Amino acid sequence: AQSVTQPDIHITVSEGASLELRCNYSYGATPYLFWYVQSPGQGLQLLLKYFSGDTLVQGIKGFEAEFKRSQSSFNLRKPSVHWSDAAEYFCAVGAPGGSQGNLIFGKGTKLSVKP
Amino acid sequence: DAGVTQSPTHLIKTRGQQVTLRCSPKSGHDTVSWYQQALGQGPQFIFQYYEEEERQRGNFPDRFSGHQFPNYSSELNVNALLLGDSALYLCASNTGVGGPNSYEQYFGPGTRLTVT
Repeated sequence: AQSVTQPDIHITVSEGASLELRCNYSYGATPYLFWYVQSPGQGLQLLLKYFSGDTLVQGIKGFEAEFKRSQSSFNLRKPSVHWSDAAEYFCAVGAPGGSQGNLIFGKGTKLSVKP
Repeated sequence: DAGVTQSPTHLIKTRGQQVTLRCSPKSGHDTVSWYQQALGQGPQFIFQYYEEEERQRGNFPDRFSGHQFPNYSSELNVNALLLGDSALYLCASNTGVGGPNSYEQYFGPGTRLTVT
């Protein structure tokens, strides 16, 4: 069965510092991979996605993520964090050719930003 | 371009009651999925509707049921509410035509259900 692990429950970074949020998945092949962000009391907004091809993908708000097949990882990065990035971040996977649209989410990483 | 909309925003119900939540998909989308997000957890897939039929279902009891209308909007019904049903219920939409883009889901703001 597919699963997603986000090892860090809560991360605090200083404004202007770089950020990396970790995501590991369990799946027999290369899944479709997504990062979503959720602000308090809000729904989820798609930051970026990976289907195939170039393993470094660019998203909105200056975020990028790198797919590493050997490590079953899809870590999210941002070179310089802004106070408005404080939110909860979710990694999700989908199984190609199988349950279309059924996304499996990690438990999320809450990001706090220090001034 | 209207995104995914959900109603109501908040709801308080008593244990044993029934509740109906509503969702209108993003313009151009024909597939609606429902997720339950408990406090401190990631969203969990409940079911998905396409062409007015339930296409997939997650690990949720039959107390959870749904419907999709010809205009692609959808309802989630929960019967015999339990305290554990308290959660944020998220609706997501996408195009059901297959391929990777069918996994790219757009989420609504959610309905916060509190069961007392």
